[in-house]
Amino acid sequence: GQNIDQPTEMTATEGAIVQINCTYQTSGFNGLFWYQQHAGEAPTFLSYNVLDGLEEKGRFSSFLSRSKGYSYLLLKELQMKDSASYLCAVRDSNYQLIWGAGTKLIIKP
Amino acid sequence: ETGVTQTPRHLVMGMTNKKSLKCEQHLGHNAMYWYKQSAKKPLELMFVYNFKEQTENNSVPSRFSPECPNSSHLFLHLHTLQPEDSALYLCASSQERGGPDTQYFGPGTRLTVL
Repeated sequence: GQNIDQPTEMTATEGAIVQINCTYQTSGFNGLFWYQQHAGEAPTFLSYNVLDGLEEKGRFSSFLSRSKGYSYLLLKELQMKDSASYLCAVRDSNYQLIWGAGTKLIIKP
Repeated sequence: ETGVTQTPRHLVMGMTNKKSLKCEQHLGHNAMYWYKQSAKKPLELMFVYNFKEQTENNSVPSRFSPECPNSSHLFLHLHTLQPEDSALYLCASSQERGGPDTQYFGPGTRLTVL
């Protein structure tokens, strides 16, 4: 079966760095997405990786290793507004998105 | 604002009621999706429409009935729901189903079935 694993919850301190991991087992691979979802709001697109390596976008970076079935989202200089759930999703060979259950990130002052 | 709107934002209904959820996208996309999001579970894809044609129905019970009158509007008609159907229902759109594109989500309808 197809599976996406990510931690259920993480806690970090304002101003610090946090890394949210995602491992996947899917039927084929056509890209990996990270979305941010604040409580009661729509998931919003953060990043997309289809080739191995690091994609940097401001305070957020996303890394992909296709051979290991592994990605991480790195958040730097954490702010209170970064408290949210972070969803990892992989597009399989049929271009269907397979979703993880999300990681709830709690930022403490 | 993601360009995808959903109404109502909250809905409470009894098991014998009939109600409809509405989604509208202002992005010029051709594919629209219904997802169910339950606490601590992955997003569950329910239905996909591509160019107004339903292309996927992921074994969704018949008490959920989708309708897509045009590429900008998507409805989810609900009838005789069960308490376990209580969840956040999210609508999304993308340029085209099967393309290397990103999905954009609406804020969702929080549904409670009593």
